[in-house]
Amino acid sequence: NAGVMQNPRHLVRRRGQEARLRCSPMKGHSHVYWYRQLPEEGLKFMVYLQKENIIDESGMPKERFSAEFPKEGPSILRIQQVVRGDSAAYFCASSPPFSGGAYTGELFFGEGSRLTVL
Amino acid sequence: DAKTTQPPSMDCAEGRAANLPCNHSTISGNEYVYWYRQIHSQGPQYIIHGLKNNETNEMASLIITEDRKSSTLILPHATLRDTAVYYCIVRRNTDKLIFGTGTRLQVFP
Repeated sequence: NAGVMQNPRHLVRRRGQEARLRCSPMKGHSHVYWYRQLPEEGLKFMVYLQKENIIDESGMPKERFSAEFPKEGPSILRIQQVVRGDSAAYFCASSPPFSGGAYTGELFFGEGSRLTVL
Repeated sequence: DAKTTQPPSMDCAEGRAANLPCNHSTISGNEYVYWYRQIHSQGPQYIIHGLKNNETNEMASLIITEDRKSSTLILPHATLRDTAVYYCIVRRNTDKLIFGTGTRLQVFP
């Protein structure tokens, strides 16, 4: 069972361009979480999605950032008109459905996508 | 989520036990204590979690005080590869993870 897959692992964009980061959750996982880690800082929650629904976007910047988790395919974090301050590592995590006695609350993280804005 | 307090950094000699404390005095009855770690720029890694009882797995042991206001993560035989930032997080198991500043553990030879 493959882990959480994120791509690209490294992405370079110039100011004003768009960045798209993809996250494929573990098989059978229906919940996806995105986190951002600025250089030398901690992990900050951005958004929590279930299939086709945004559940909690309290950590998303109000402009330029959007996320989706379609019925088919990976979750996408989209950053429009990138600025230098968007340079960071973006981590995705997934978890299985909450129902069932085996659910432990563990989130499984990918290795991250590192965005550099020139 | 209840707030946690951890020391910013700790050192440990290789082969010794590393005991990482965490205070969570405002924890609610339905909140668990989770521990994660992040090894230099990698994705966070789950270590262990517990509600009331002490827990042990192949990575670590978790000791939770009877009043649940504090806990200790124990790495029984620390290795250089255990050098990482360790996060103690208190949450209901269906909540998102909120990371604090954690404890930077340095294991030295």
